[in-house]
Amino acid sequence: GQQLNQSPQSMFIQEGEDVSMNCTSSSIFNTWLWYKQEPGEGPVLLIALYKAGELTSNGRLTAQFGITRKDSFLNISASIPSDVGIYFCAGPAGYSTLTFGKGTMLLVSP
Amino acid sequence: GAVVSQHPSRVICKSGTSVKIECRSLDFQATTMFWYRQFPKQSLMLMATSNEGSKATYEQGVEKDKFLINHASLTLSTLTVTSAHPEDSSFYICSARGILAGTATSYNEQFFGPGTRLTVL
Repeated sequence: GQQLNQSPQSMFIQEGEDVSMNCTSSSIFNTWLWYKQEPGEGPVLLIALYKAGELTSNGRLTAQFGITRKDSFLNISASIPSDVGIYFCAGPAGYSTLTFGKGTMLLVSP
Repeated sequence: GAVVSQHPSRVICKSGTSVKIECRSLDFQATTMFWYRQFPKQSLMLMATSNEGSKATYEQGVEKDKFLINHASLTLSTLTVTSAHPEDSSFYICSARGILAGTATSYNEQFFGPGTRLTVL
């Protein structure tokens, strides 16, 4: 089945810095999703990408669907303490199911 | 739109008892619901997929007789952990995808509930 490699595994940055994380897959995807999970909560959808090359923003977040359709990245600009959480990439694993990356834990110091 | 709720948020039970977790889609018709399990510092692992009115499809290694799933309506799915043991302690999260109520708008993405923390003593 599809495997997602997400990196980095964790990041510890200072408030105001920009952040970049990426995800690669072993096979071609037609959808990339980025979720954020805060402690003790379920994941919340941040950005959905449906087209190779697509670049989509959601506030300070920007995500791109790689041209090869095997990768995606998520950027967070001017990070703030509430950006803390685990960020997961996800892609389709079957007709309706998703496969998730292992997550990138983001810690932001004030 | 696309709000999913879960109940309870936390449950502590004795070993050998059964626990039921509810997952509801509040403003859309969830044609498909998914149940995940997440252990500390790990990613989400899909346990099963359920379509309204039909039997759930379980992932390899997930015991269907232990994790009973019912998806009897377009807004409710339940997961019952039967004869729970300490190793079943985990964070259980449901998600749903479907159609916005009263429209033909369908959601391709999955929307997640807030999760249920199960602790089995």
